[in-house]
Amino acid sequence: DAKTTQPNSMESNEEEPVHLPCNHSTISGTDYIHWYRQLPSQGPEYVIHGLTSNVNNRMASLAIAEDRKSSTLILHRATLRDAAVYYCILRDVGGTPLVFGKGTRLSVIA
Amino acid sequence: GAGVSQSPSNKVTEKGKDVELRCDPISGHTALYWYRQSLGQGLEFLIYFQGNSAPDKSGLPSDRFSAERTGGSVSTLTIQRTQQEDSAVYLCASSLATGSGSVAAFFGQGTRLTVV
Repeated sequence: DAKTTQPNSMESNEEEPVHLPCNHSTISGTDYIHWYRQLPSQGPEYVIHGLTSNVNNRMASLAIAEDRKSSTLILHRATLRDAAVYYCILRDVGGTPLVFGKGTRLSVIA
Repeated sequence: GAGVSQSPSNKVTEKGKDVELRCDPISGHTALYWYRQSLGQGLEFLIYFQGNSAPDKSGLPSDRFSAERTGGSVSTLTIQRTQQEDSAVYLCASSLATGSGSVAAFFGQGTRLTVV
């Protein structure tokens, strides 16, 4: 899987939107952009994924740059339960292992 | 159940003993993975099973670690002669396997192994 770059940490106030960036300048045409998060003392949890178009689901939105070299995970209203480490991962073939980097540790302040 | 199930949730063992960790993947998922996460560290890939293919064992840290998957479903990770550095959370995940990257992996809650 191609490499991604994320900030080590970010902080947000509760009930405000959060934009988590990810750079993936070496992305290939068949790579999907996946986001997972890991809450304290839990296993990683799938959040969202996309290829070229922006995606929305009940958890978050994914905005993908036109050149696909970067993407942003958007939490529309952060809650204290969103405090977690967020991982941006590229995946080109289903079934191959996900390669986790260090991710972004999101802190949410009440 | 609907999700990936791991057992036990916690295991304390004495140094030198063997341990077995179990993973029940989501029904119909042909891909199964084991990861390890030491305290405060990232996820380290251990081994990957895909259907009837030979497993990818490239992440196993030593020959004390082995895993099998019976009948394409349940998997067991075995650690022989446990050492204190084996203490970690062992996570299992499963997914469908397709020719595209458009599949999500789903993780269990992990087994916390403590070697004393």
